[in-house]
Amino acid sequence: GQQVMQIPQYQHVQEGEDFTTYCNSSTTLSNIQWYKQRPGGHPVFLIQLVKSGEVKKQKRLTFQFGEAKKNSSLHITATQTTDVGTYFCAGPKLTGSARQLTFGSGTQLTVLP
Amino acid sequence: DARVTQTPRHKVTEMGQEVTMRCQPILGHNTVFWYRQTMMQGLELLAYFRNRAPLDDSGMPKDRFSAEMPDATLATLKIQPSEPRDSAVYFCASGLVPILAGGLSSTDTQYFGPGTRLTVL
Repeated sequence: GQQVMQIPQYQHVQEGEDFTTYCNSSTTLSNIQWYKQRPGGHPVFLIQLVKSGEVKKQKRLTFQFGEAKKNSSLHITATQTTDVGTYFCAGPKLTGSARQLTFGSGTQLTVLP
Repeated sequence: DARVTQTPRHKVTEMGQEVTMRCQPILGHNTVFWYRQTMMQGLELLAYFRNRAPLDDSGMPKDRFSAEMPDATLATLKIQPSEPRDSAVYFCASGLVPILAGGLSSTDTQYFGPGTRLTVL
């Protein structure tokens, strides 16, 4: 079945350093989404990428979708303590008539002041 | 600002007791998902409804878990009897997907509720 792998599982950075998390799917994705979950919170939708090779930016966050639409990355420039949390990628999975998301295992980011 | 609401936010119960968790999806959304999150397993999909009909509950232990949508504004997840290994955070999420699923879609986004933190002693 479809699998979405995410690396690294954990990342500790000093405030001001950059951070990148990578997502790889075993199958081609029609789109990929990124979510952020703050400690004690719930996953919150960040962005969706649809096109091959697409790059989107949100302030210090840069999201990329691979040319083959099987991998994606999230890069944060100059991390801040507010970036702390777990970042999940998710890809749609079609099972019969059911359309659902397969979530990666997440990358837990810790930013040291 | 439309949000998914879940009740209760916290539940502590003893093994063997029945637990019912409730979710109110965002008005107008036609899909509801129940997830369980633990440190060890991450986010696991338990059940999925579209237009109130259950489409996928393969991730749910059938002997003790049940999920229903009695109406479009309420989804429930019930555990009976509860066990300590059920301790986790249970999230409900809602979304809006096209009736004819398949092909490219930009409407897979899911909006999560705040979760119910369940502790079974």
